[in-house]
Amino acid sequence: DQQVKQNSPSLSVQEGRISILNCDYTNSMFDYFLWYKKYPAEGPTFLISISSIKDKNEDGRFTVFLNKSAKHLSLHIVPSQPGDSAVYFCAAYTNAGKSTFGDGTTLTVKP
Amino acid sequence: ETGVTQTPRHLVMGMTNKKSLKCEQHLGHNAMYWYKQSAKKPLELMFVYSLEERVENNSVPSRFSPECPNSSHLFLHLHTLQPEDSALYLCASSQDWGQGYSPLHFGNGTRLTVT
Repeated sequence: DQQVKQNSPSLSVQEGRISILNCDYTNSMFDYFLWYKKYPAEGPTFLISISSIKDKNEDGRFTVFLNKSAKHLSLHIVPSQPGDSAVYFCAAYTNAGKSTFGDGTTLTVKP
Repeated sequence: ETGVTQTPRHLVMGMTNKKSLKCEQHLGHNAMYWYKQSAKKPLELMFVYSLEERVENNSVPSRFSPECPNSSHLFLHLHTLQPEDSALYLCASSQDWGQGYSPLHFGNGTRLTVT
């Protein structure tokens, strides 16, 4: 049973437009969520996080939204840039520090 | 050098070989991790070390043997692997484990191919 799912394996958007990456989870014990970004031939790097006591966290062009009742979070990138093209992973943590990752979504931003 | 460094970047080994993956972190973190990333699968946590003590072992076969001699170094010893063990092996570190939510800092991984 996969507890964290990213149902879109890939997403393609035009430069300057909004990218929306989605993540769904099933375990109600998750209370902290992170997004990581991965370029080819590199390890994932931390991008942005959100605690379950919040429904939104913003950092520059990146905003993460959390809908606890729907067990859904999303990452918005606006405006999207070609350098944002990468694989994006969401990860969910329990309060014991155990993390579970989604499969990843490959974002392509076209110039 | 800063961050998390993994060597080698690529490794090809036969099923009867013994090899080791090395990871070093220069961030002063207390926790280190091994993850496996197979094609079209999510990142799978293999092992966690916190303050040099193994705290997680997620049902990993005994042909994978971790070693953490100090808080900066982590090894993954490999022996009698199977072709299905071919994957990207990622090392990561975090400030702490089991206390709050420290983001993981990953190395660039070792691409392992078992022939």
